[in-house]
Amino acid sequence: DTAVSQTPKYLVTQMGNDKSIKCEQNLGHDTMYWYKQDSKKFLKIMFSYNNKELIINETVPNRFSPKSPDKAHLNLHINSLELGDSAVYFCASSPSSSYNEQFFGPGTRLTVL
Amino acid sequence: SQKIEQNSEALNIQEGKTATLTCNYTNYSPAYLQWYRQDPGRGPVFLLLIRENEKEKRKERLKVTFDTTLKQSLFHITASQPADSATYLCAPSGNTPLVFGKGTRLSVIA
Repeated sequence: DTAVSQTPKYLVTQMGNDKSIKCEQNLGHDTMYWYKQDSKKFLKIMFSYNNKELIINETVPNRFSPKSPDKAHLNLHINSLELGDSAVYFCASSPSSSYNEQFFGPGTRLTVL
Repeated sequence: SQKIEQNSEALNIQEGKTATLTCNYTNYSPAYLQWYRQDPGRGPVFLLLIRENEKEKRKERLKVTFDTTLKQSLFHITASQPADSATYLCAPSGNTPLVFGKGTRLSVIA
């Protein structure tokens, strides 16, 4: 059984388009995260939700909007895609927001042409 | 600002030897520190967590130390195997989001 799943695994799109990445966890965790890993392999947090409420919003352009319809799902919508958005995006979850170990999804490789 | 340095970008060792990876941090007082393993094309996988009041933690062939005076954690893999080849990330943690180091890519050569 997949603990944290993301779709799609690969996403290739043109500049200016709008796209979404979906994430689901079946671990019963309260907290979910979105991370971005760029070409230099730095893994940086973007957002965190706890029980559907936004608790962390790092310095991320307004073009990125997370949505959590329930605590098992955290989707990421990106408007007006730019070349610099090309990266691997990871979803993760943890039992609570007190930064226990995190369980990561397989990642979505976004390529903006 | 918080800064995390992992000793080297890449480390090559012979099978059977002990691999030692270093994580140094500055401008930070983490309550605990986590280590993750990342294989190519996959998400990071949690390995160990050590708290500030713990000097050392072990799990099978893995050992982690945490020196809050030196602001350093050491990650050891004893009797290393080719299957241990991966990138290892450290993440000091506290009352702020996890901040990951860039990672050390370990290659264990048979």
